Amino acid sequence: EAGVAQSPRYKIIEKRQSVAFWCNPISGHATLYWYQQILGQGPKLLIQFQNNGVVDDSQLPKDRFSAERLKGVDSTLKIQPAKLEDSAVYLCASSSLTGGAGGYTFGSGTRLTVV
Amino acid sequence: AQSVTQLDSHVSVSEGTPVLLRCNYSSSYSPSLFWYVQHPNKGLQLLLKYTSAATLVKGINGFEAEFKKSETSFHLTKPSAHMSDAAEYFCVVSVWNQGGKLIFGQGTELSVKP
Repeated sequence: EAGVAQSPRYKIIEKRQSVAFWCNPISGHATLYWYQQILGQGPKLLIQFQNNGVVDDSQLPKDRFSAERLKGVDSTLKIQPAKLEDSAVYLCASSSLTGGAGGYTFGSGTRLTVV
Repeated sequence: AQSVTQLDSHVSVSEGTPVLLRCNYSSSYSPSLFWYVQHPNKGLQLLLKYTSAATLVKGINGFEAEFKKSETSFHLTKPSAHMSDAAEYFCVVSVWNQGGKLIFGQGTELSVKP
């Protein structure tokens, strides 16, 4: 089966600019996660969708980050305006069942550098 | 609250010697635990997972981990290290009562010397 697709692979922007990342999960996977991985740290959950509804966005900096999953398939994560500390790899993952019982599949990530 | 602690930020072994990466967890519920590996500039790859079946879990590439409830540990081992094992390893707990989100440890960097 095709994996989780993410684009772009790399992005460099200046602080205060905006940026958007795109994720296409595995076909049929109802649950979609966005994680932020800062260099030298483990990934941290930003937001979780179940179909097109938000399950958990408690750690999403809502003053600058937003995410949507229209029609319960693809998802976009946006940062506006970006700060230097947003430099990280943004990982998308999907799971076939609630609670991850079906297993998780991660995309290769988008590496964001804010200068 | 659920959490994981990886006890070593960096482990260095010689090729052909055993590998031990240590992980302790905290969970109010019967946990699901995972080990993921991340090679430089690559995505996360699942090594193995524990989901309340056998306590000794075998994974890919010769890795295995043992779930010890009394010690709240889930250490990752391999009998003989290969150069290709050099990577970052993450111990992860799944929070079933919160939609299955994954909580990652800080990671252990494994170096393998020739």
